[in-house]
Amino acid sequence: DQQVKQNSPSLSVQEGRISILNCDYTNSMFDYFLWYKKYPAEGPTFLISISSIKDKNEDGRFTVFLNKSAKHLSLHIVPSQPGDSAVYFCAASNNAGNMLTFGGGTRLMVKP
Amino acid sequence: DVKVTQSSRYLVKRTGEKVFLECVQDMDHENMFWYRQDPGLGLRLIYFSYDVKMKEKGDIPEGYSVSREKKERFSLILESASTNQTSMYLCASRQRQGWETQYFGPGTRLLVL
Repeated sequence: DQQVKQNSPSLSVQEGRISILNCDYTNSMFDYFLWYKKYPAEGPTFLISISSIKDKNEDGRFTVFLNKSAKHLSLHIVPSQPGDSAVYFCAASNNAGNMLTFGGGTRLMVKP
Repeated sequence: DVKVTQSSRYLVKRTGEKVFLECVQDMDHENMFWYRQDPGLGLRLIYFSYDVKMKEKGDIPEGYSVSREKKERFSLILESASTNQTSMYLCASRQRQGWETQYFGPGTRLLVL
């Protein structure tokens, strides 16, 4: 059973609008969460992270929110740009970051 | 800039063949990882290595082995390839254990016929 789930395989958003990508996890021992972005024919690249002692972390247009009681995190991209079109993976860790458990990914398409 | 390279972008092999996938990183990172990526399943960890000659099993090690004889190089070996090992294989490296970012290579798409 997948411990990290991204229930939306794809998301389509208009340029300039907000993109919200969601991720749910089941393991209450996870204490560090990351988002990676992947373009076709490239490896994933790190985007943003959050530890369980926080509920929000911002980096420019990207904000990650963590709701520990709901075991849910989300990535907000504001404003969305066509260059943000990619597959986004959330990942979680529970042992000092040694091993990451990834979700299935969400393909984001930002339309001009 | 960290660079992680993988020996092949595309590979076609036959069932039962021995397959070697190589990964090289140029930043003197201690940790290296092998994942496979399948639609809907995300990235699943096969093996990782903390340091030279050290290895740990990940979530799906069955059918795979690894070798790390030099710090910069981490090899994934499929002893006898099977069709269910058709997948995208991604290598990653990280400076050291802990919250350090993992840097990924471009991936090798393996097709086993």
